[in-house]
Amino acid sequence: DSGVTQTPKHLITATGQRVTLRCSPRSGDLSVYWYQQSLDQGLQFLIQYYNGEERAKGNILERFSAQQFPDLHSELNLSSLELGDSALYFCASSRDRARETQYFGPGTRLLVL
Amino acid sequence: QQQVKQSPQSLIVQKGGISIINCAYENTAFDYFPWYQQFPGKGPALLIAIRPDVSEKKEGRFTISFNKSAKQFSLHIMDSQPGDSATYFCAASYGNQFYFGTGTSLTVIP
Repeated sequence: DSGVTQTPKHLITATGQRVTLRCSPRSGDLSVYWYQQSLDQGLQFLIQYYNGEERAKGNILERFSAQQFPDLHSELNLSSLELGDSALYFCASSRDRARETQYFGPGTRLLVL
Repeated sequence: QQQVKQSPQSLIVQKGGISIINCAYENTAFDYFPWYQQFPGKGPALLIAIRPDVSEKKEGRFTISFNKSAKQFSLHIMDSQPGDSATYFCAASYGNQFYFGTGTSLTVIP
């Protein structure tokens, strides 16, 4: 158990809908990272937050957004969902801004029908 | 464009054998090269990592070999065990950007 929690575990929704994925980092970790894992694209870095502020952006679509709250939990919002958004979404956390030793959560499996 | 190229896609090794997974990159700005292990239904977990100022790092049965001039690095799993059966990802990072390889599914046969 990495200490990172993600909810929900599974999510089934329809095209065009909007969903919110939630992540709680390990106790004491200030950085949160979001990743998308799909069969054809592999594991892709989406975005990083550090202590409430956006630190880095990867291949995140404009339809997706994220935020980190004062209690350091983070939410990833996915809107106008398309079939191709079906994937595993992982959250990871680390102690500080350094990207070393990221601890991954168990993931949220999103299925868009 | 795949920033980190990983091979093979899948690997079958006998118990006690050596598993070797290779990765290559182009961007010389990368300064951190971790390997992650992922079991089905779980998130990736950091296995071992190396920086480009060393050519090899060993932790137990796991060794990273790093060739800066060739822009390649590899993971060697010595005395492979059935419990090592998992998907392995290499990654490369600089600044706040992280790029993963496409993964290698390792099966260790008893």
